[in-house]
Amino acid sequence: SQTIHQWPATLVQPVGSPLSLECTVEGTSNPNLYWYRQAAGRGLQLLFYSVGIGQISSEVPQNLSASRPQDRQFILSSKKLLLSDSGFYLCAWTGQGGYGYTFGSGTRLTVV
Amino acid sequence: AQSVSQHNHHVILSEAASLELGCNYSYGGTVNLFWYVQYPGQHLQLLLKYFSGDPLVKGIKGFEAEFIKSKFSFNLRKPSVQWSDTAEYFCAATNAGKSTFGDGTTLTVKP
Repeated sequence: SQTIHQWPATLVQPVGSPLSLECTVEGTSNPNLYWYRQAAGRGLQLLFYSVGIGQISSEVPQNLSASRPQDRQFILSSKKLLLSDSGFYLCAWTGQGGYGYTFGSGTRLTVV
Repeated sequence: AQSVSQHNHHVILSEAASLELGCNYSYGGTVNLFWYVQYPGQHLQLLLKYFSGDPLVKGIKGFEAEFIKSKFSFNLRKPSVQWSDTAEYFCAATNAGKSTFGDGTTLTVKP
């Protein structure tokens, strides 16, 4: 069966420090991969999505970047975190048919 | 641009009451519609989906949703809620593989 792993679960980082959040999917190949940010009381905002290795689309201009070095690995990064980068980050995958997302457990990032 | 609106931010019901959560989307083309649920301390998970065919779709745990194309709506319903339905519910519309989510509705069911 397919599973999605996302880590770490929580992270506290100082302003100006780098960031790397990792997401991996098992049990499927060539998934579409997504990074979302969920703010309290708000919906999910799509940050990046990828339909294949090295293919990254950015939805909103921001201080973050994403990479997909392997088929089932999706990484969210920043060179220098801002306070406004605090939030709950979710990785998700879907098959090529787009039959709904499967979400990871999320990372609660607090920038201090 | 595609958008999804959920009209109720917070709904409080007593057990056995009926539930209807509103969802409207704005997109002129073909969209796939979803409801996701996030129980306290758990992952977001898919509740039900609509792609085509019968506009009344049934999901897990007795939930259903009706797609009304003329109203651009996909409201979620359940005839009789339980305390365990307390959760946050998100409506989403997907086009070209990308989903746009509503802001979510927090449902609190009082025992």
